[in-house]
Amino acid sequence: DQQVKQNSPSLSVQEGRISILNCDYTNSMFDYFLWYKKYPAEGPTFLISISSIKDKNEDGRFTVFLNKSAKHLSLHIVPSQPGDSAVYFCAAGGGSNYKLTFGKGTLLTVNP
Amino acid sequence: EAQVTQNPRYLITVTGKKLTVTCSQNMNHEYMSWYRQDPGLGLRQIYYSMNVEVTDKGDVPEGYKVSRKEKRNFPLILESPSPNQTSLYFCASSSFSSSYNEQFFGPGTRLTVL
Repeated sequence: DQQVKQNSPSLSVQEGRISILNCDYTNSMFDYFLWYKKYPAEGPTFLISISSIKDKNEDGRFTVFLNKSAKHLSLHIVPSQPGDSAVYFCAAGGGSNYKLTFGKGTLLTVNP
Repeated sequence: EAQVTQNPRYLITVTGKKLTVTCSQNMNHEYMSWYRQDPGLGLRQIYYSMNVEVTDKGDVPEGYKVSRKEKRNFPLILESPSPNQTSLYFCASSSFSSSYNEQFFGPGTRLTVL
């Protein structure tokens, strides 16, 4: 059973426009959510996180929105830059075992 | 520099030949974990460790072993590798003091089992 879902395998946007990456989850017990970015031949790197008691967290060009009633979160990147082209993973966690459950990832391509 | 290192980065082996992928972190993190990444399946947890001598299974532990004898090291052992273990493997670590278990990942090990 896939508890964290990223239903769009890929997304293509123009440089300067907004990128919106989506993530849905099924487990209402998750306490926090994270986004990771992954370039080819590198490990994932942490991007931004949000607690389940918040609905928005912003860090520079990156904003994560959480809609608990819909069990949905999204990552907004504004403005998008070619260097943002990467695979983005949504992850969710909580509980005593510190486990993170990852989605399958979305490949973002930002075209110059 | 704070980092997670993995060795080797690339490995081609044959079915049944035991191998070990090493993982080391220099951040004094309590938590360490192994993941595999496969096309269309994302990152799946293999094993994790909450501290020295404390390990537990993740979602896909079959065919793998781990040990945590020192805080900084968390090797992944494949006693008898099979072709379905061909994958990209990542080691990660985090501190219990982090708010949301932000995990630091190693650069990955690409394993091919023939």
